[in-house]
Amino acid sequence: GQQVMQIPQYQHVQEGEDFTTYCNSSTTLSNIQWYKQRPGGHPVFLIQLVKSGEVKKQKRLTFQFGEAKKNSSLHITATQTTDVGTYFCAGGGGYQKVTFGTGTKLQVIP
Amino acid sequence: DTGVSQDPRHKITKRGQNVTFRCDPISEHNRLYWYRQTLGQGPEFLTYFQNEAQLEKSRLLSDRFSAERPKGSFSTLEIQRTEQGDSAMYLCASSPGTGFNNEQFFGPGTRLTVL
Repeated sequence: GQQVMQIPQYQHVQEGEDFTTYCNSSTTLSNIQWYKQRPGGHPVFLIQLVKSGEVKKQKRLTFQFGEAKKNSSLHITATQTTDVGTYFCAGGGGYQKVTFGTGTKLQVIP
Repeated sequence: DTGVSQDPRHKITKRGQNVTFRCDPISEHNRLYWYRQTLGQGPEFLTYFQNEAQLEKSRLLSDRFSAERPKGSFSTLEIQRTEQGDSAMYLCASSPGTGFNNEQFFGPGTRLTVL
């Protein structure tokens, strides 16, 4: 079955440093979504990428979908303490099931 | 508050008992998903509905799990003969189900503890 892996599993950064998480799927994805889950909370949708090579930005967050549509990345510039949480990618959707990645837990040290 | 509600928020049960959870999605959303999440893991897909049709069910699910969405609105997830390994957060999410918009809105979850 489809597997979606993320690296790293954990990341501790000093506030103001950049952060990147990488997502890799065992199969080609029709689309990829990114979610953020705060401690004790539920996943919250951040963005969806559909096109090969697509890049989208949301303020300090940059999302990229690979050319082969099997990988994706999320980059945060100048992290803030409000960025703390676990970031999940999720592949599929539409008439396909959605497979969540293993997640990257981000800790920001003030 | 995403507009997706789940009931109950917490459930403690003894091994062997049956439990049922309810999810009320955002009213105009066609798609409804159930996931299970354990500590430190990502949401694990259980099943999903397009309106009232159950389109896919995880092979990881045993026959003890069943889900319904009888009128294409709310959904229920039932676990029969619960086991300690069923202890987890059960998340429901809904999605508009139109075009390429796959954004999922998650409910607060039902935390199940099986003693």
